[in-house]
Amino acid sequence: GAGVSQTPSNKVTEKGKYVELRCDPISGHTALYWYRQSLGQGPEFLIYFQGTGAADDSGLPNDRFFAVRPEGSVSTLKIQRTERGDSAMYLCASSLQRVRSGNEQFFGPGTRLTVL
Amino acid sequence: GENVEQHPSTLSVQEGDSAVIKCTYSDSASNYFPWYKQELGKGPQLIIDIRSNVGEKKDQRIAVTLNKTAKHFSLHITETQPEDSAVYFCAAPMAAGNKLTFGGGTRVLVKP
Repeated sequence: GAGVSQTPSNKVTEKGKYVELRCDPISGHTALYWYRQSLGQGPEFLIYFQGTGAADDSGLPNDRFFAVRPEGSVSTLKIQRTERGDSAMYLCASSLQRVRSGNEQFFGPGTRLTVL
Repeated sequence: GENVEQHPSTLSVQEGDSAVIKCTYSDSASNYFPWYKQELGKGPQLIIDIRSNVGEKKDQRIAVTLNKTAKHFSLHITETQPEDSAVYFCAAPMAAGNKLTFGGGTRVLVKP
């Protein structure tokens, strides 16, 4: 079956612009996660959705970052007033249930965001 | 929260030799430990995982061992091949249970 997909694969924008990154999770997966990965480092947690609600947004760096999942499937990560420091790979993952219960978390290919 | 340390940061091995990567974690309540392989420009791919009720799990050339008392787990790759070259990440669930904390990664290079 289809895995997690993310669009666009690459996004180049200018400082101060607004961007949206999209994630399509594996069908039937109720848990969805966003991570950010800087070059040479491991992924860092941003936000977790269980169904439609953001159950944990403690990893969002500031209020310029926001994510939604209105119908419990597709999710959009939104970044306002982008800064050069936002440049990174943004990864989406999904799992059948929450990872603490030992449910595998599957990652998408990521969106490489570059802020000029 | 959870803290995961991973060593070494780089590992170069000759084709056919074994590779071992080690991770330690801080949250004694963690019960699930996945390993991911990430190739250049791609997302992490789950290659093997282990749950806290077992000490070892094997899948062909890949094995993972877990020592809950010492709070460390290791990835073992035997008979390495050039296609095993990638960055490998270990991870563990954070105390809140809904997100993974990743190690810093190990860049593995298998020389033909």
